[in-house]
Amino acid sequence: GEDVEQSLFLSVREGDSSVINCTYTDSSSTYLYWYKQEPGAGLQLLTYIFSNMDMKQDQRLTVLLNKKDKHLSLRIADTQTGDSAIYFCAETDSWGKLQFGAGTQVVVTP
Amino acid sequence: DGGITQSPKYLFRKEGQNVTLSCEQNLNHDAMYWYRQDPGQGLRLIYYSQIVNDFQKGDIAEGYSVSREKKESFPLTVTSAQKNPTAFYLCASSIPGGIGYTFGSGTRLTVV
Repeated sequence: GEDVEQSLFLSVREGDSSVINCTYTDSSSTYLYWYKQEPGAGLQLLTYIFSNMDMKQDQRLTVLLNKKDKHLSLRIADTQTGDSAIYFCAETDSWGKLQFGAGTQVVVTP
Repeated sequence: DGGITQSPKYLFRKEGQNVTLSCEQNLNHDAMYWYRQDPGQGLRLIYYSQIVNDFQKGDIAEGYSVSREKKESFPLTVTSAQKNPTAFYLCASSIPGGIGYTFGSGTRLTVV
């Protein structure tokens, strides 16, 4: 089964905030990541957080990390149509490889 | 500009034929990876290589083969033994201790 779990779909209205949630299993992960995939394209690194941090903010993006519950979230403020994409959460496993969740499809409606 | 290039973007093959997907990077990354992506299933690791002339099987290696003769190149061959080869294939690279992976733009393989 998946070591990293995400909900598969999120619909949000343009201008609202989006929150994408993720749970992971490897408590030794040094970094946790959010990747964005637009249709027909590869993944691009959106943001990441070091495991000793609780929060990281980067313009419209806010990452929250709850290590106790192994829960990671990505908040996108003022969601735009260009934010429609698949968002992948990823953790680093004990071998240093990334383990990805199944991805959350975000659809932004006008 | 440094980056990772996958070619071709679209590939069509007849059933029973082997096909090789290209992945080249000029980032001087040591490690390279191949993933398969099917709708709703996220990314599944096929093979990875941490150093030239060495590679390891990932979670779904059956029906695939790779080589790593040069640091820059990590081609993936989809053999006729792969039962369901139609998918989107992604190549990635990284450095030890680095931040995340850099991905190519993918190759969509359709077997008819």
